[in-house]
Amino acid sequence: EDKVVQSPLSLVVHEGDTVTLNCSYEVTNFRSLLWYKQEKKAPTFLFMLTSSGIEKKSGRLSSILDKKELSSILNITATQTGDSAIYLCAFLLQGAQKLVFGQGTRLTINP
Amino acid sequence: DAEITQSPRHKITETGRQVTLACHQTWNHNNMFWYRQDLGHGLRLIHYSYGVQDTNKGEVSDGYSVSRSNTEDLPLTLESAASSQTSVYFCASSESTKGEQYFGPGTRLTVT
Repeated sequence: EDKVVQSPLSLVVHEGDTVTLNCSYEVTNFRSLLWYKQEKKAPTFLFMLTSSGIEKKSGRLSSILDKKELSSILNITATQTGDSAIYLCAFLLQGAQKLVFGQGTRLTINP
Repeated sequence: DAEITQSPRHKITETGRQVTLACHQTWNHNNMFWYRQDLGHGLRLIHYSYGVQDTNKGEVSDGYSVSRSNTEDLPLTLESAASSQTSVYFCASSESTKGEQYFGPGTRLTVT
């Protein structure tokens, strides 16, 4: 059974800190890994990473997939209170269009 | 602008009643999905559809059904609501060739 585990489940840091969120997986035959940010409402798409392992960046956020370690990390530098959210990772399975989600990391940035 | 909407946004119902949650997208996406979100479980897939007249069961499909009569809509029906179905429900859609899914605003359902 495909499984996605995120860690930590919850993280509280101060504004300006750098955080690293982890997503590890036991997924046979995946095509891509996706990261989402969920504030009070619907999840919004951040990144899609393919098995090529190329890092993706968007402003202060960056992410990379490590196929050898079966994991992905999401880095956020110079955190701001607006980064407070639940961060979800998900796998897109090969040959299918559906996503398998991890349970999410709740990130809280204190001023 | 294209969007995905859900209605109602909040619903309170009684155990045993039939409930239908609506999902409508104007992206013209072939793929549509229903998830539920509960504390500690992330998003779990209920049902999904890859096109008109196509429906498939997800990992938590018991007690739920969907139908797809057109591209824009995928209503989710709870045949006989149970307290265990109290949750937040999200609808999502995606293009056939792309993986990223776009989510609706969610429906908070309470079954008393």
